[in-house]
Amino acid sequence: GQNIDQPTEMTATEGAIVQINCTYQTSGFNGLFWYQQHAGEAPTFLSYNVLDGLEEKGRFSSFLSRSKGYSYLLLKELQMKDSASYLCAVRDPGNTPLVFGKGTRLSVIA
Amino acid sequence: EAQVTQNPRYLITVTGKKLTVTCSQNMNHEYMSWYRQDPGLGLRQIYYSMNVEVTDKGDVPEGYKVSRKEKRNFPLILESPSPNQTSLYFCASSPGTEFHQPQHFGDGTRLSIL
Repeated sequence: GQNIDQPTEMTATEGAIVQINCTYQTSGFNGLFWYQQHAGEAPTFLSYNVLDGLEEKGRFSSFLSRSKGYSYLLLKELQMKDSASYLCAVRDPGNTPLVFGKGTRLSVIA
Repeated sequence: EAQVTQNPRYLITVTGKKLTVTCSQNMNHEYMSWYRQDPGLGLRQIYYSMNVEVTDKGDVPEGYKVSRKEKRNFPLILESPSPNQTSLYFCASSPGTEFHQPQHFGDGTRLSIL
């Protein structure tokens, strides 16, 4: 099975950088996803990591360390529209569904 | 436009009155899934389907049924809804479960069972 931990809430200032951490304990691992979800809306895919290291995509980057069971999502040049929940999800090996963490609610303030 | 469509978007109903939430995708995806999302509990999987006529229980299947008679549709059935099934429901699909394939989510269905 999977156990995924994320901070419940974070607050950051417009224009700043914020790092959202995710730790997981799994019997196997076949990739980690980050999703963004605005209140009352559907989650949308942000990034995917399966190998160790940093994946950069514009203002968003995601990092993975498989040996530590650890990932983070880095958001740069924060904008008010980045206020949302960020969900970490892990996939087991084999044809198994994603398991989601409970999400981190990020508030961006002026 | 590639999308996952859920209906209805909102429903208020009463205990015991059978209801169905439909989900349809136009991307020819093999994998489909239903989640419920509750405050403090995150997204929890109810049922999933790897392909037509193949369905499996997720983490919280009690009180729900699904069917997958055709690839594009994956309805969620509540035979006898109860107040603890009041929640926000999402349907999702992906091409398969290959490791790099993200899920695409529908817009959600907010169910209130009185």
